Amino acid sequence: SQKIEQNSEALNIQEGKTATLTCNYTNYSPAYLQWYRQDPGRGPVFLLLIRENEKEKRKERLKVTFDTTLKQSLFHITASQPADSATYLCAPLRVGGYQKVTFGTGTKLQVIP
Amino acid sequence: DVKVTQSSRYLVKRTGEKVFLECVQDMDHENMFWYRQDPGLGLRLIYFSYDVKMKEKGDIPEGYSVSREKKERFSLILESASTNQTSMYLCASSPTPTGNSPLHFGNGTRLTVT
Repeated sequence: SQKIEQNSEALNIQEGKTATLTCNYTNYSPAYLQWYRQDPGRGPVFLLLIRENEKEKRKERLKVTFDTTLKQSLFHITASQPADSATYLCAPLRVGGYQKVTFGTGTKLQVIP
Repeated sequence: DVKVTQSSRYLVKRTGEKVFLECVQDMDHENMFWYRQDPGLGLRLIYFSYDVKMKEKGDIPEGYSVSREKKERFSLILESASTNQTSMYLCASSPTPTGNSPLHFGNGTRLTVT
């Protein structure tokens, strides 16, 4: 069955460093992969989408890579700030049919001042 | 900006009650989704709808039903609430079914069943 795995433990990093979060998937071949941010008590907010034919996508301090051979996406936040502290969710999606959007369990990032 | 509004932020119900969770979106999106979120289990899809009066089961539909009579409104129904349905419920919408557009989430309803 399909499986999406994110770093199960919280990630603590020092302010100013680059945070790298991992999303691994098995048993399917997504055409897209989305990343979301979720703050406590709030719904997830969309950050970035990357397509299978794109190796890398950037938006301000955010960078996402998508390696279909490794079945992995990496999400990087450069020059991290305490305001980046949140849970980050990935959602790989296949092409075709009506999409059941399935999320990973998320990685909680804590940026320490 | 897209707005997805869930009718209640917090809800407390008794076991066996019929519970309605309402969700309204203001952007004429075709697709709407209901998820529940539990610690350690993440977001799990209950039902989704790609058109008025159309619905598809997600990964955990048991104990739930949905209604979509109007494009902007998607209701989640707990026919007979049970304590294991205590959870955070999140509604979302998106304009296309193909996965290349983001989901827009509401801020959730925290349901407690006692």
